Amino acid sequence: NAGVMQNPRHLVRRRGQEARLRCSPMKGHSHVYWYRQLPEEGLKFMVYLQKENIIDESGMPKERFSAEFPKEGPSILRIQQVVRGDSAAYFCASSPQGQENTEAFFGQGTRLTVV
Amino acid sequence: AQSVAQPEDQVNVAEGNPLTVKCTYSVSGNPYLFWYVQYPNRGLQFLLKYITGDNLVKGSYGFEAEFNKSQTSFHLKKPSALVSDSALYFCAVRDDQAGTALIFGKGTTLSVSS
Repeated sequence: NAGVMQNPRHLVRRRGQEARLRCSPMKGHSHVYWYRQLPEEGLKFMVYLQKENIIDESGMPKERFSAEFPKEGPSILRIQQVVRGDSAAYFCASSPQGQENTEAFFGQGTRLTVV
Repeated sequence: AQSVAQPEDQVNVAEGNPLTVKCTYSVSGNPYLFWYVQYPNRGLQFLLKYITGDNLVKGSYGFEAEFNKSQTSFHLKKPSALVSDSALYFCAVRDDQAGTALIFGKGTTLSVSS
């Protein structure tokens, strides 16, 4: 049973370009979380999704950021018109549906660098 | 809304000494509490969790944590620290009501010296 898979592991984008980060949850997991990690800010919650639904997006910036988790395929975190401040490590985690007492399993992260 | 506080940015201990990494939380309902560890350039690894039952829970690598409802705390402990325990530790909480997100503290860097 493969763990949570994130790709790419490293992504370099020029200012103004789009960044697409992918996350394939563990088999059997239907809930996905995205987090952003900055050195001085710790692990900041961004969005919580289940298949075809956004459950909680209270941590998402209002502009340029979007996330989806389609019925088929990985979850995608999209950042449009990237700026230097978007440079960070982005982590995805997954958990089974309806099991709030179960720990979430994390991917290795995508390190985004905006130049 | 739930929240987690880790009051110490860094904890320094000597190898062989006991260690404590502090965590306090706030939730509307009942808490589900978790500890994770992160090594450099890696994802987070689950250590232990409190759901219900005994207030003292045991986890991986000899770590344990004590749930204290009156103090809304869930401090991570280990009787004898190892240099290899040096890492970044995160406390996390989720409200027991369905549909709530897993929220993390800012993290505490543990440094164990030989």
